[in-house]
Amino acid sequence: QAGLTQPPSMSKALRQTATLTCTGTSNNVGKQGAAWLQQYQGHPPKLVWYMKNDRPSGISERFSASRSGNTASLTITGLQPEDEADYYCSAWDYSLEAWVFGGGTKLTVL
Amino acid sequence: EVQVVESGGDLVHPGESLRLSCVTSGFRFNDYWMHWLRQAPGKGLEWVANIKPDGSERFYVDSVKGRFTISRDNAKRSLYLQMNSLRDEDTALYYCAGAFDFWGQGTMLTVSS
Repeated sequence: QAGLTQPPSMSKALRQTATLTCTGTSNNVGKQGAAWLQQYQGHPPKLVWYMKNDRPSGISERFSASRSGNTASLTITGLQPEDEADYYCSAWDYSLEAWVFGGGTKLTVL
Repeated sequence: EVQVVESGGDLVHPGESLRLSCVTSGFRFNDYWMHWLRQAPGKGLEWVANIKPDGSERFYVDSVKGRFTISRDNAKRSLYLQMNSLRDEDTALYYCAGAFDFWGQGTMLTVSS
């Protein structure tokens, strides 16, 4: 099943802003945007953004997300060392009737 | 406190079957779509299957259709994944998740001859 497209890696300096992208199709991201999950090595993922413009309880206000056409974005402002992690996007694909995931972006905070 | 605990992972041979279980507490299990996801060693996340709160709808990734069956027991706040005809490529850490909000630590399945 076709997945979503994410750049494999990104490096940003401390306190800078990172914008991670996730490209899908009109059958998935284009309909409802994407959910975003953060995963540290050796730990389960954690949801940092719901699809419908909603930040889960306990997630820093430095995290926000948006969508333009078939591309979803997760923006992290004021980067901190603890933001260094793998980030995955995911969306329900109405054609496949399945959740599809991006391959993940490894964010490095310099 | 939310708890999600998977179990049942093991080392099996290709073609064999296995059942994974997931017991939950601390959230309204009966209200949540529940998911199984997996992550092969060193790889990204892959969604495997999900099931509606009342169990009336189930969806699967193409690669497991006809081989895996997801089920739930709301009275026991539990989720299951029956896996048949296992293949090498099913080797992964399997996660149980409540609507992507709540996750367990995973249970490891290794399929190898």
